[in-house]
Amino acid sequence: AQKITQTQPGMFVQEKEAVTLDCTYDTSDPSYGLFWYKQPSSGEMIFLIYQGSYDQQNATEGRYSLNFQKARKSANLVISASQLGDSAMYFCAMMDSNYQLIWGAGTKLIIKP
Amino acid sequence: EAGVAQSPRYKIIEKRQSVAFWCNPISGHATLYWYQQILGQGPKLLIQFQNNGVVDDSQLPKDRFSAERLKGVDSTLKIQPAKLEDSAVYLCASSLAGGGWAKNIQYFGAGTRLSVL
Repeated sequence: AQKITQTQPGMFVQEKEAVTLDCTYDTSDPSYGLFWYKQPSSGEMIFLIYQGSYDQQNATEGRYSLNFQKARKSANLVISASQLGDSAMYFCAMMDSNYQLIWGAGTKLIIKP
Repeated sequence: EAGVAQSPRYKIIEKRQSVAFWCNPISGHATLYWYQQILGQGPKLLIQFQNNGVVDDSQLPKDRFSAERLKGVDSTLKIQPAKLEDSAVYLCASSLAGGGWAKNIQYFGAGTRLSVL
């Protein structure tokens, strides 16, 4: 069965430090996409970054990068130079061939000033 | 470009009452999703539309929930009658659709926070 696991329920990080949020996945499909979303306390789900299973290079979008290790089935999100506004819930999700997302339980990130 | 619009933002009702949520996707997006997100959990897909047809409604509790997407644009989700366990945030998302992951990125609205008393 397809599954996403986020093992860190919560994290505290000092402002300006880099953050790594862990995500592991399980699937038998050869083709899949891995996505990260941010959900602030306001509730809106904000798309951050994605990586396809056949993509050779790790995806980057501004301060966000996706550390994709296919053999380990991990797709960690790295946020460089964290800011107070990065405090939020972060969800890892896997997209299947029906273009549906399977979601992890999320990690609550708190940035300390 | 306007994002996904949802209304209302908040709704408080008593159990056994009915409620409806509205969603207007990003212009040109063919696929529309409704999710239920209970506090502390990831979203759960309720129904997926492609244009005005249903692709998947396997997790929609059809005895009380219904959804429609007339004319393949905006959509409504209804609960009748509501139960206490329906208290959640209802999220609507849309995607362009087509081949490849980029065309299927889901963009979300602000959500409707429902409290059933």
